[in-house]
Amino acid sequence: KNEVEQSPQNLTAQEGEFITINCSYSVGISALHWLQQHPGGGIVSLFMLSSGKKKHGRLIATINIQEKHSSLHITASHPRDSAVYICAVRSGGSQGNLIFGKGTKLSVKP
Amino acid sequence: DAGITQSPRYKITETGRQVTLMCHQTWSHSYMFWYRQDLGHGLRLIYYSAAADITDKGEVPDGYVVSRSKTENFPLTLESATRSQTSVYFCASMKGENIQYFGAGTRLSVL
Repeated sequence: KNEVEQSPQNLTAQEGEFITINCSYSVGISALHWLQQHPGGGIVSLFMLSSGKKKHGRLIATINIQEKHSSLHITASHPRDSAVYICAVRSGGSQGNLIFGKGTKLSVKP
Repeated sequence: DAGITQSPRYKITETGRQVTLMCHQTWSHSYMFWYRQDLGHGLRLIYYSAAADITDKGEVPDGYVVSRSKTENFPLTLESATRSQTSVYFCASMKGENIQYFGAGTRLSVL
């Protein structure tokens, strides 16, 4: 079993829809990251969180430590949000390296 | 330019050849990482470094060598390339226990 599981693997949405991507993990963590990988391949960090909720523009990330679960929400989705969204965790005993999920490929249609 | 840069962006080589992928960051971040990304897998850690002259193995280190003589550089060497090392390689840096900043990636094909 993978230590970090994301769902769904693929997601197609219409422009304007509210989107949720889920991440579950099985290890103890010190932090959870959400990353965005553009179609061209570049990877950008969106959020790092260890508790609660963070918001940046139309993106909201939440984490429930007890349930070992995090969600990434996108409000009013737009075709430019089309990308692969990757969840990654830093386990409690690591030196800083991350354990990655396989990613969720999001396509937003106009 | 400020940031983290990888070179080359694309590389084709033959089995058995030595290949070095370069990674350079201008922030003086203490931590640097090398990952590989393959279809069906998430990013997987090859090696990481907590500071100059300190390196450690990640999940998939076999066939790779790293060095960190200067804080800003973290080259990854494939001593004798194999087809299974065909992949996209990402370098990243991190200050303290903060977010990681990724390079643009190197697409390596081993024929």
